[in-house]
Amino acid sequence: AQSVTQLGSHVSVSEGALVLLRCNYSSSVPPYLFWYVQYPNQGLQLLLKYTSAATLVKGINGFEAEFKKSETSFHLTKPSAHMSDAAEYFCAVSDRGTGGFKTIFGAGTRLFVKA
Amino acid sequence: NAGVTQTPKFRILKIGQSMTLQCAQDMNHNYMYWYRQDPGMGLKLIYYSVGAGITDKGEVPNGYNVSRSTTEDFPLRLELAAPSQTSVYFCASAGGRTEAFFGQGTRLTVV
Repeated sequence: AQSVTQLGSHVSVSEGALVLLRCNYSSSVPPYLFWYVQYPNQGLQLLLKYTSAATLVKGINGFEAEFKKSETSFHLTKPSAHMSDAAEYFCAVSDRGTGGFKTIFGAGTRLFVKA
Repeated sequence: NAGVTQTPKFRILKIGQSMTLQCAQDMNHNYMYWYRQDPGMGLKLIYYSVGAGITDKGEVPNGYNVSRSTTEDFPLRLELAAPSQTSVYFCASAGGRTEAFFGQGTRLTVV
């Protein structure tokens, strides 16, 4: 069965420091992978996606992620954290369901940014 | 450009009551999803649909029902509300095996 594991429910970094949010997946078919961000009391917004093209994917707000098949990972990074990056981040995989594809989410990682 | 619209935004139900959460999208997407979000649990897929007339169970379907009579609408029905169904519910749509667009959520409390 497909699944997504996000390591660390909370991550705290200082402003200007590297952000690294970890995601590992399992999938029965070549995966499509996504990172979403959720700000308080809002829905989810797409940060970036991997759909079998380039393994290094760039997204909005300076985030990027690298697909590593051998490690079944899709970690999210940003070189320099900003206070506005404080939010909850979700990794997701699109996998085959009975009649089509369904998107399964990880448990989320809350990012705190310290001044 | 409305995107995905969910109604209501908030609702308080008594145990045993029923209600329907409404979801509509105007992007002509085939795929639609219902998720529930509980603290520390991420989003759990309740039901999904790959087109009008086609629905399938997700990870946590018990206590819920759905229908998809049109491309635009995907209502979620709670028949006998229980405290365990207190959650934030998100509807989403997608054009295919690609990114999902989310509504703003419905915060449901069952007392």
